[in-house]
Amino acid sequence: DVKVTQSSRYLVKRTGEKVFLECVQDMDHENMFWYRQDPGLGLRLIYFSYDVKMKEKGDIPEGYSVSREKKERFSLILESASTNQTSMYLCASSLLIPGPYSNQPQHFGDGTRLSIL
Amino acid sequence: AQKVTQAQTEISVVEKEDVTLDCVYETRDTTYYLFWYKQPPSGELVFLIRRNSFDEQNEISGRYSWNFQKSTSSFNFTITASQVVDSAVYFCALKGDYGGSQGNLIFGKGTKLSVKP
Repeated sequence: DVKVTQSSRYLVKRTGEKVFLECVQDMDHENMFWYRQDPGLGLRLIYFSYDVKMKEKGDIPEGYSVSREKKERFSLILESASTNQTSMYLCASSLLIPGPYSNQPQHFGDGTRLSIL
Repeated sequence: AQKVTQAQTEISVVEKEDVTLDCVYETRDTTYYLFWYKQPPSGELVFLIRRNSFDEQNEISGRYSWNFQKSTSSFNFTITASQVVDSAVYFCALKGDYGGSQGNLIFGKGTKLSVKP
């Protein structure tokens, strides 16, 4: 079974702090993703990565950055946390298979509920 | 542009009732992939099913069945004889096969299903 592990289930930080959310997967997946989930808005993609040191912006990258130094680890960084970044953050990973068979599902972690005070 | 619409925000049923969750999608891709995920109260998104656009066969897995209709751009999910454990938020998602963005999923906003005993 694929295991995606997020370092914290709950996190409370203060405005202006630099916040790191860590995600590790154990299935040698090339693709990794960070989403945030808010009531009424569903899941929105923040950043994703399809290889070590590679990253691409998703739909809402502002205020965030990411780091992928090793294949199994994908970190989300809030450079200067603000209250509007209070949310549930979900990490996911998937295999990278190009072409007509690129229907590999994403596997999700348990989520980190982040509160910025 | 790609879009997934889950028009039902919340559904409440009594145990043993059948329930159908609607999903309508928009895409210009000729090849695409559709997914359903379940998010129980614990928070983790659990992958349920994927469907390729070139395979229009419906699928049944136990009490779950999925009806894919390309003509109406719909991928509906039916739970037969619902149980309390089915209570969760269900997300429909779409992935195109366009080059570059290997794994991006476009999620609907989810349907919260409550099954009452």
